[in-house]
Amino acid sequence: GESVGLHLPTLSVQEGDNSIINCAYSNSASDYFIWYKQESGKGPQFIIDIRSNMDKRQGQRVTVLLNKTVKHLSLQIAATQPGDSAVYFCAETLGSGGYNKLIFGAGTRLAVHP
Amino acid sequence: DSGVTQTPKHLITATGQRVTLRCSPRSGDLSVYWYQQSLDQGLQFLIQYYNGEERAKGNILERFSAQQFPDLHSELNLSSLELGDSALYFCASSTNTGGDTGELFFGEGSRLTVL
Repeated sequence: GESVGLHLPTLSVQEGDNSIINCAYSNSASDYFIWYKQESGKGPQFIIDIRSNMDKRQGQRVTVLLNKTVKHLSLQIAATQPGDSAVYFCAETLGSGGYNKLIFGAGTRLAVHP
Repeated sequence: DSGVTQTPKHLITATGQRVTLRCSPRSGDLSVYWYQQSLDQGLQFLIQYYNGEERAKGNILERFSAQQFPDLHSELNLSSLELGDSALYFCASSTNTGGDTGELFFGEGSRLTVL
């Protein structure tokens, strides 16, 4: 598999537990945030997004929390499964008006143990 | 399968050489983005094209260039390659119809190794 992110922080959890992955973003003007999942050998895959006028958004087994005061974003995964093992990236947008570019965080590796 | 196709999947070349990476976006997507992912830098935005025109530029070196063709496929050209250019290069596409959606669909990447 790919050796991306050998130096990434790693979160180890037991299967069935809840996982919380944190991200500090850089620009207080950013108004749109996304969490991506990258499995070994694959490209990043969209998980969930949130706009800056919200502080919480829920998806299937995932919840994103946004704290604009401290520029902090978190991804909560309920009942973590082995298939959740991957590198997770938060991303923020620094553009508007019909085009955008995402700035990705450094990533966190999630390791799920049976 | 994201619908974004990248070729080649793996490429090994020598310093000083030039390579071209190719990307076919999802059907109907007008925007193409290129990212570089290396061990120590994470995912770095390089450049975006929308319907054939350059739309946004990131940390792209002058030795690198890109273009998007009328059929919407894109090519990333890397020249005068250095050891530090070894990385995964991802292409992503989006519909980008004018809203500010950030949902991108990524290909599986092209792994470039410069020896």
